[in-house]
Amino acid sequence: AQRVTQPEKLLSVFKGAPVELKCNYSYSGSPELFWYVQYSRQRLQLLLRHISRESIKGFTADLNKGETSFHLKKPFAQEEDSAMYYCAPQDNTGNQFYFGTGTSLTVIP
Amino acid sequence: EAQVTQNPRYLITVTGKKLTVTCSQNMNHEYMSWYRQDPGLGLRQIYYSMNVEVTDKGDVPEGYKVSRKEKRNFPLILESPSPNQTSLYFCASSFGGFSNQPQHFGDGTRLSIL
Repeated sequence: AQRVTQPEKLLSVFKGAPVELKCNYSYSGSPELFWYVQYSRQRLQLLLRHISRESIKGFTADLNKGETSFHLKKPFAQEEDSAMYYCAPQDNTGNQFYFGTGTSLTVIP
Repeated sequence: EAQVTQNPRYLITVTGKKLTVTCSQNMNHEYMSWYRQDPGLGLRQIYYSMNVEVTDKGDVPEGYKVSRKEKRNFPLILESPSPNQTSLYFCASSFGGFSNQPQHFGDGTRLSIL
């Protein structure tokens, strides 16, 4: 069963426009929620973690327990935000690590 | 510098020739893991280890072996590689013995099996 769904494989927005990358998960309870980013030819790195409630590079992510979603948002996209984004909600009852299939974001100048 | 180091970064080899991809971390992390990244499929966990001598299968373990004899090292072994194992592989580690902590990734190893 698909545990993590990122419905958009590709997403293009213009510079300065708002961006939202969607993520839905199928765990019950309160999973640990992460977003990772992979810039071109670089390693994956942690973008943000829900529990810390930080805003990293202008991105935030809101947990909606009712919809089991953890969408990533930024009000004004920048060209340097072009990257691959992976949602990774972790089931606190298990030991495996799951990633979504990723969304490739392109910010058009 | 805290890091996860994978070697080699690139490897082209032939079907059936055993290979090992090494992974080492210097952060004293308990949890280590291997992933493969394929277009349209995202990252899929191959094997993970919660501590020394404790390993378990992820979602796609077929054709792979791992060992965790020391805390810092977690090699990935392909005993008889096949073309469908051509992929980009990432090693990662995290604090604690469970999957609820942020992962630190290596730079990746691009394997091509001819």
